[in-house]
Amino acid sequence: KAGVTQTPRYLIKTRGQQVTLSCSPISGHRSVSWYQQTPGQGLQFLFEYFSETQRNKGNFPGRFSGRQFSNSRSEMNVSTLELGDSALYLCASSFDSGRAAETQYFGPGTRLLVL
Amino acid sequence: TQLLEQSPQFLSIQEGENLTVYCNSSSVFSSLQWYRQEPGEGPVLLVTVVTGGEVKKLKRLTFQFGDARKDSSLHITAAQTGDTGLYLCAGNTGGFKTIFGAGTRLFVKA
Repeated sequence: KAGVTQTPRYLIKTRGQQVTLSCSPISGHRSVSWYQQTPGQGLQFLFEYFSETQRNKGNFPGRFSGRQFSNSRSEMNVSTLELGDSALYLCASSFDSGRAAETQYFGPGTRLLVL
Repeated sequence: TQLLEQSPQFLSIQEGENLTVYCNSSSVFSSLQWYRQEPGEGPVLLVTVVTGGEVKKLKRLTFQFGDARKDSSLHITAAQTGDTGLYLCAGNTGGFKTIFGAGTRLFVKA
């Protein structure tokens, strides 16, 4: 079974631009979560999608948004980029029976650099 | 607020030494995971523990889940340079949220 894939792996943008990151979960997994990881803040939860609906949301500004498609693939968008948005963005998927959170499997991440 | 506290935050040891990393909380977890992450890559799942008192072994790594399912430990025997990385614990409390610890950064010197 293929693992979680994320594209692109690396991205350089300038302040004020917007960016869209993509995540394909493990086949059969219905839950997709997004995290931001920086050296200073560690792993910060952005949001989680299940069956095309946002089920959980972290404490990030509205510039950060996401969506999930019917095939469980997910995208996250960051608008009006700021220097502080430079980070490793991680996507994780889990099978999720719908009863409770289950083990998450991570993709390799997208390294975003904002200049 | 549910928290998972990991200790120590940083650990630098010589190859061949043993070490233990701890993950503690006041919350009860239905399951707990340990991950290892290398720079620039995503965390890789090492193990999931679900039963209080459970002990799992993965070669030189031993994982223990506390009897009350509030804490866990990871013990590495005879550390190797390839064990270097960030070790993360994560817990599920039975809802739809997963809580992550801040991580333990391990550096094993040759």
